[in-house]
Amino acid sequence: GNSVTQMEGPVTLSEEAFLTINCTYTATGYPSLFWYVQYPGEGLQLLLKATKADDKGSNKGFEATYRKETTSFHLEKGSVQVSDSAVYFCALRHNFNKFYFGSGTKLNVKP
Amino acid sequence: DAGITQSPRYKITETGRQVTLMCHQTWSHSYMFWYRQDLGHGLRLIYYSAAADITDKGEVPDGYVVSRSKTENFPLTLESATRSQTSVYFCASSTGGSANTGELFFGEGSRLTVL
Repeated sequence: GNSVTQMEGPVTLSEEAFLTINCTYTATGYPSLFWYVQYPGEGLQLLLKATKADDKGSNKGFEATYRKETTSFHLEKGSVQVSDSAVYFCALRHNFNKFYFGSGTKLNVKP
Repeated sequence: DAGITQSPRYKITETGRQVTLMCHQTWSHSYMFWYRQDLGHGLRLIYYSAAADITDKGEVPDGYVVSRSKTENFPLTLESATRSQTSVYFCASSTGGSANTGELFFGEGSRLTVL
């Protein structure tokens, strides 16, 4: 079946620290991979995506590379800010618009 | 305003009552979804719809009913609410077919408490 596993949180970092949130997936075929972000009190919004192996998605300083050989899509940012504090969800999209989400990782960034 | 809107944003009800959560989108997206968000479970799909009058079960459909008589609306009904249905509910939409960019667009969520 299809599933997404991401590291448990919360992750607490100081401002300007390096961020990695691990995400691995199980899927048949060739899924598209996504990172969504949820700020407090809001719905999820797309952060970045990659549609095929070796693609790199990037947005707002965040990056993630679609690694088929390790079935991973780890989220990274070189220097986090307080405003990056949010919950991050890894997701995959399979046939017919079926999305599978990870359980979410809460990021707290302290000044 | 264009977008996807949910109502009510907050609802408190009692066990056994019927509750309907509304979802409206202005993009004419063909696909619409209902998710529930619970601590430790992330987002779980309740129901989805590929077009008007076409709906299908997701991962956790028991206790919920949906309808889609118009493309833009996708209401979710809890026919007899239970405490285990206390959750935050998110509606989402996306394009379909060859134009599908793969992105899901989410509403702001409806927080439901069942006493």
